Amino acid sequence: AQSVTQPDIHITVSEGASLELRCNYSYGATPYLFWYVQSPGQGLQLLLKYFSGDTLVQGIKGFEAEFKRSQSSFNLRKPSVHWSDAAEYFCAVRKRSYQKVTFGIGTKLQVIP
Amino acid sequence: GAGVSQSPSNKVTEKGKDVELRCDPISGHTALYWYRQSLGQGLEFLIYFQGNSAPDKSGLPSDRFSAERTGGSVSTLTIQRTQQEDSAVYLCASSPAGTQEETQYFGPGTRLLVL
Repeated sequence: AQSVTQPDIHITVSEGASLELRCNYSYGATPYLFWYVQSPGQGLQLLLKYFSGDTLVQGIKGFEAEFKRSQSSFNLRKPSVHWSDAAEYFCAVRKRSYQKVTFGIGTKLQVIP
Repeated sequence: GAGVSQSPSNKVTEKGKDVELRCDPISGHTALYWYRQSLGQGLEFLIYFQGNSAPDKSGLPSDRFSAERTGGSVSTLTIQRTQQEDSAVYLCASSPAGTQEETQYFGPGTRLLVL
C-alpha cells in the first residue's frame, strides 16, 4: 500500500528564514504529488502539485517543491517565511490510475518574530 | 465562484445518536470525496463518488458509516450510533472529472464532537 511520511510533526522557524518541509512516499511508480496547507479553522488549500515534467514545481504564496525520484521525495520549500505562513502542511500522493488520495500526517509550522 | 460548502460547521452530539453531515460540491464537479481528520492524524479517506458509478467505500471504518449522493450533487455522510472515537473533522472535497490530473478542492469541514 502506498504511504506518505512527513517526518517532522512540528517545525518552528523565524520570520524571514528559509523553510523546507520534508515528504517521502512509498510507492512503486511515480504518483501524482501534492502539497496542501490548512490554516486554523480553514479547509485545505492546494499549494502546488506535480504530475509530470519539470521536477521543480512552483506554487502559490511563494512556495516551491522539488520531486526527486531517486529519493522518493517531494520536499516543500520557501526562501523567506512570513508570519502568515503559520499553518499545517500536508503532503499527499495519488496513484495515477486511481482517485484515492493518501495524505501524510501533516507538519505544523510555527513562525516566530 | 462558490467553493465546496459543508454544514453544519460544528456538531456536538451524544454518544449513541445519529448524525448527518452535508456537503455541497462545486457546481459541475462530478467527483466527491469524504475524509476524516482526527486529532494528531492525517486525513483518512472515507468514500469517493464519481458520477453515476458505484462509490468507492473502501475507507469507511465501520458499517455505522454510510454516505449517499443525490442527483450527482449534494452528498450526506451519516454516522449511526455515534461513538466518542468518531469525534473528528469531516472534510469533503470535489473535483472535476475527465482527466487523470484532476485536483481536489476542499470544503471547510464539519467538526464533530461526540460526548
